[in-house]
Amino acid sequence: AQTVTQSQPEMSVQEAETVTLSCTYDTSENNYYLFWYKQPPSRQMILVIRQEAYKQQNATENRFSVNFQKAAKSFSLKISDSQLGDTAMYFCAFMKHEGGNMLTFGGGTRLMVKP
Amino acid sequence: DVKVTQSSRYLVKRTGEKVFLECVQDMDHENMFWYRQDPGLGLRLIYFSYDVKMKEKGDIPEGYSVSREKKERFSLILESASTNQTSMYLCASSPRHISNTEAFFGQGTRLTVV
Repeated sequence: AQTVTQSQPEMSVQEAETVTLSCTYDTSENNYYLFWYKQPPSRQMILVIRQEAYKQQNATENRFSVNFQKAAKSFSLKISDSQLGDTAMYFCAFMKHEGGNMLTFGGGTRLMVKP
Repeated sequence: DVKVTQSSRYLVKRTGEKVFLECVQDMDHENMFWYRQDPGLGLRLIYFSYDVKMKEKGDIPEGYSVSREKKERFSLILESASTNQTSMYLCASSPRHISNTEAFFGQGTRLTVV
């Protein structure tokens, strides 16, 4: 079984600054996918970024980037130039390569971006 | 746009009632999921379905059942609601054969059992 741990229940950042959200996971799988999902106050879960474990290169999507350390089983999310609209719950999630697309989620980090 | 629609955003039910949470997706996805979201615990998988009339237990199936009579619709059933089932319930869907695809979520049903 897989587990995903987010050790920061809450974080805050000033607008325009950079923040990093931590995520660690435990698995015996070699091929898998990692995701960061965002859940704003509207409750609509939105995919932020996705990483394939067999890819060495860290994924980036505009202001969002990850630091994927496979040996350390670490998958942190960096948000650059934070905006007020980034205020949300952020969930780290794990999916096995052949796992029926089921996601295992961490407990979430509540991020507040302050003006 | 992919759309996953949950029938209610808020629901209040009494202990012992039978509760139906409905979810409909419009993208012809094979996979559908029900998750439960609780503070500090993230989302936990209750049940999933990879085809019509097919279902598999997730991590926390006790006290729940599901029904998938049509491809687009996946229902979560609380046979006899209890207060410890007060929670946020999220439905999701994804295509089956592309294993790295994102899941698409509904907006959640916040269920309160009194």
